[in-house]
Amino acid sequence: KQEVTQIPAALSVPEGENLVLNCSFTDSAIYNLQWFRQDPGKGLTSLLLIQSSQREQTSGRLNASLDKSSGRSTLYIAASQPGDSATYLCAAEDGGGFKTIFGAGTRLFVKA
Amino acid sequence: EAGVTQFPSHSVIEKGQTVTLRCDPISGHDNLYWYRRVMGKEIKFLLHFVKESKQDESGMPNNRFLAERTGGTYSTLKVQPAELEDSGVYFCASSPLLGGNEQFFGPGTRLTVL
Repeated sequence: KQEVTQIPAALSVPEGENLVLNCSFTDSAIYNLQWFRQDPGKGLTSLLLIQSSQREQTSGRLNASLDKSSGRSTLYIAASQPGDSATYLCAAEDGGGFKTIFGAGTRLFVKA
Repeated sequence: EAGVTQFPSHSVIEKGQTVTLRCDPISGHDNLYWYRRVMGKEIKFLLHFVKESKQDESGMPNNRFLAERTGGTYSTLKVQPAELEDSGVYFCASSPLLGGNEQFFGPGTRLTVL
């Protein structure tokens, strides 16, 4: 049974700092791993999708990596801004189907 | 291009009543998913449609929940009768059949059962 864990649960950093959010999963037979952002009271916004055959994806200041063998993914945010404050969720899609398992999220606060 | 939409945004009902949530996926997306987040917990998968067919409904909590996607377009999730523990935020997501399956989420429906 797939389990997804995100560390840390919460993070507070000063503006401009580079930071890394961690996601680990127990079953390496995933189809893909997706990172989302959620703002309070809002839906989820897709940030990056890494397919199982890929090692990383980049979008602007965001870079996500995937290491299936170790069951880990990281989301790197460069030069953080107050507008990056949100909850970041990772989700692993089951390799045998389309069931997606979410982590509990990392709540990020970037101080101006 | 319109995103995934959900209706209503909020619903407050009493225990024992029936509620129907609606999701309109992005046009052309054959995959449609329902998820739920109850207070303090992770987002949990409920079920997955490909067009009008249920591919995986292993996450549905019990038989008080019924999801349909007639015609393969919009989907409804009915809870009948609602219980207190059904309170939470219900999300819908859609994705195209090809291309890595990036899921796009709706804003969610916040359900409160009193």
